[in-house]
Amino acid sequence: AQKVTQAQTEISVVEKEDVTLDCVYETRDTTYYLFWYKQPPSGELVFLIRRNSFDEQNEISGRYSWNFQKSTSSFNFTITASQVVDSAVYFCALSEAGQGGSEKLVFGKGTKLTVNP
Amino acid sequence: NAGVTQTPKFQVLKTGQSMTLQCAQDMNHEYMSWYRQDPGMGLRLIHYSVGAGITDQGEVPNGYNVSRSTTEDFPLRLLSAAPSQTSVYFCASSYSGGPTDTQYFGPGTRLTVL
Repeated sequence: AQKVTQAQTEISVVEKEDVTLDCVYETRDTTYYLFWYKQPPSGELVFLIRRNSFDEQNEISGRYSWNFQKSTSSFNFTITASQVVDSAVYFCALSEAGQGGSEKLVFGKGTKLTVNP
Repeated sequence: NAGVTQTPKFQVLKTGQSMTLQCAQDMNHEYMSWYRQDPGMGLRLIHYSVGAGITDQGEVPNGYNVSRSTTEDFPLRLLSAAPSQTSVYFCASSYSGGPTDTQYFGPGTRLTVL
């Protein structure tokens, strides 16, 4: 069965600090997809990234970077030089290709990040 | 292009009442889903649809019905509301439903059942 664990319930940092949000997943499939979503205080869900299981290359997008390690079943998210606008709940999610597609996402419980000025 | 829209934004029901949460998308997406978000629980899949006329259950389907008569609309029905259904409900859609597709989420409906 699929499972996504975000062990950090809440993180608080001061602006300009780097912060890493952890995500550990469980799946029996060899083909699967991992996602990160951001939920700001306004409540909407914002897609950040999708990574497939065959692509272990790390990705960087501005101040955001993602580290995918199949050996440890982890897909961690790092924000460099955090800003107050990064304050949000961040969700990691998993989709197994054998389950039919992205319409069946399994989410972690989320990590609430607070960036203080 | 409005994306995924949900109505209402807020709703208060009494136990036993019924209601329908509306979801519509104008992106010609085949795949649509309903999730509920509870504090400390993340999002959990209620029902999903891979196209008009086709629906299936997710992780927490009990107490909810869905139908998909058109590509654009995917309403979620609560037949007899219970306090345990107090939650924030999100509708999502994606183009083909393949795992390479991005799911786009609506703004959510906050439901309180008294």
